[in-house]
Amino acid sequence: SAVISQKPSRDICQRGTSLTIQCQVDSQVTMMFWYRQQPGQSLTLIATANQGSEATYESGFVIDKFPISRPNLTFSTLTVSNMSPEDSSIYLCSVPGHDSGNTIYFGEGSWLTVV
Amino acid sequence: QKEVEQNSGPLSVPEGAIASLNCTYSDRGSQSFFWYRQYSGKSPELIMFIYSNGDKEDGRFTAQLNKASQYVSLLIRDSQPSDSATYLCAVEDYGQNFVFGPGTRLSVLP
Repeated sequence: SAVISQKPSRDICQRGTSLTIQCQVDSQVTMMFWYRQQPGQSLTLIATANQGSEATYESGFVIDKFPISRPNLTFSTLTVSNMSPEDSSIYLCSVPGHDSGNTIYFGEGSWLTVV
Repeated sequence: QKEVEQNSGPLSVPEGAIASLNCTYSDRGSQSFFWYRQYSGKSPELIMFIYSNGDKEDGRFTAQLNKASQYVSLLIRDSQPSDSATYLCAVEDYGQNFVFGPGTRLSVLP
């Protein structure tokens, strides 16, 4: 599977501020996915980021709150804007695997706490 | 809205026993099913995927799929304390967009 690196790994943020999470992959991938995992909850897909086009957002997530960039086939960023304590979550970047199944693999995650 | 359901647990089994984790899904048309393991403070890691009815074995892990019953399970043989984690069932929605269940917390007691 690809090596997926995320930055920052952890951060404590003030409410009302914005934070950008970076995801770097060691191989070119067509699609990159951004998931959120709120405390004690499972994973929810925020959006799919394709290179050269706007991200596709899932129901309940909007571009103004979670702008995404995908400048090339190995890199993407997710910004969490105007943060509130409800945004305290793990944010996970994932990419398709190169194995035989339609698998996806996750980066290490970015643990955000909003105070 | 597609749904994936799992018992939240915790499921406690003694070391060496078989742990059985269950998952049901709402969309009868789903084709691809995945099990991920998530240790506390870590990101999910893929254990297995299964597409066809029946069993698929990989080491101590066996995934079982019954599409007629919309049911997928994961068996862990010879459970070890290092298997203690949350196990997430996932179903592919479309274009590798996955719907995840809430996860089952497994505790293997030494």
